[in-house]
Amino acid sequence: NAGVTQTPKFRVLKTGQSMTLLCAQDMNHEYMYWYRQDPGMGLRLIHYSVGEGTTAKGEVPDGYNVSRLKKQNFLLGLESAAPSQTSVYFCASSSPASGGTYEQYFGPGTRLTVT
Amino acid sequence: GIQVEQSPPDLILQEGANSTLRCNFSDSVNNLQWFHQNPWGQLINLFYIPSGTKQNGRLSATTVATERYSLLYISSSQTTDSGVYFCAVEEDNYGQNFVFGPGTRLSVLP
Repeated sequence: NAGVTQTPKFRVLKTGQSMTLLCAQDMNHEYMYWYRQDPGMGLRLIHYSVGEGTTAKGEVPDGYNVSRLKKQNFLLGLESAAPSQTSVYFCASSSPASGGTYEQYFGPGTRLTVT
Repeated sequence: GIQVEQSPPDLILQEGANSTLRCNFSDSVNNLQWFHQNPWGQLINLFYIPSGTKQNGRLSATTVATERYSLLYISSSQTTDSGVYFCAVEEDNYGQNFVFGPGTRLSVLP
């Protein structure tokens, strides 16, 4: 199993450009998440999805859109990138195990710089 | 919303030393995980531990839910333990709204 993969690993954008980050998981997990991590800080939840075709806002959703057209994929879009969106983006997935736990498994991250 | 604090923010150890990392949270939780972010940025699951004690090799964790804290113990530390340790909590248990602490940066010197 590859687990959780993210594409691309690195990207540089100019202000105002758009892009899409792709997250894929092969663990048949129901839930998927997008986080951002800024220097010296913990992760903050951007959006999440509890199943195919569903999405919901997290703590810092402004400036981002997401889609979950297939269970295994979760896309994060930036329509008009801003320097404040320079960050490392992590995708994660989870699924309720016996006893109702939701352990998250993370991808390797995408480092995005907006100039 | 729930607040999560971690202490100490930074910790430097000699190889072979033991350490205790602490995670405090402001409200009761039903979901708590510890992660290790290695120097290459990868986040690795260590423990799912909303209550009680678990051990995995040189690492163990204890959560006292009624007192709103969790501890991560690292014994006989190795240079490969270096990195940042995060705790993440969720108030309910729907797997939907995790809040991460700011992390403890651990440096283990040879």
